[in-house]
Amino acid sequence: DAGITQSPRHKVTETGTPVTLRCHQTENHRYMYWYRQDPGHGLRLIHYSYGVKDTDKGEVSDGYSVSRSKTEDFLLTLESATSSQTSVYFCAISGDTYEQYFGPGTRLTVT
Amino acid sequence: KNQVEQSPQSLIILEGKNCTLQCNYTVSPFSNLRWYKQDTGRGPVSLTIMTFSENTKSNGRYTATLDADTKQSSLHITASQLSDSASYICVVNRTGGGNKLTFGTGTQLKVEL
Repeated sequence: DAGITQSPRHKVTETGTPVTLRCHQTENHRYMYWYRQDPGHGLRLIHYSYGVKDTDKGEVSDGYSVSRSKTEDFLLTLESATSSQTSVYFCAISGDTYEQYFGPGTRLTVT
Repeated sequence: KNQVEQSPQSLIILEGKNCTLQCNYTVSPFSNLRWYKQDTGRGPVSLTIMTFSENTKSNGRYTATLDADTKQSSLHITASQLSDSASYICVVNRTGGGNKLTFGTGTQLKVEL
């Protein structure tokens, strides 16, 4: 998975609790992305980062925040998890070629 | 609206047979089109990337074609193997869209003995 790890790989949480997902890369790539994947939908971009402390919103950013304090780490936070945020979350990275490499995914269930 | 439509939604073929997956897109202006393979429980892995000027690209038994005029692409798999069982996702990138991609919902391929 191109030097990308995601943690945790699985998580079950209750509605209203905060959740943080971590993406870690060892490739020193500039760009990092968070996507969610749901049945019947293609992967949808939540947030992305184009450098340390530089982030921007994707198409489904409501209810999510991100932070990138180091090149290698990109954190996705659900401030107050809802059942609609039950999904599989993928982190991706890319360098100057724009080829995106995906991590193994985190399966999040909000009960 | 920028969209990527894939067909069929699912497909079952016998090992050793060939198959072709289709992708139609309305993303504009077009920059490049990618095909990804996603195994169950894994992240997508890139198979091919084609720009406007490329109409065919191969990666082993996978051959992708692109017709930018009709906004159609296909992925042909030759001599299928059990390991080809996966979801195949068509993805389009817009010019000037940064690296923000539009994903299709995928074709679920199952290869059986």
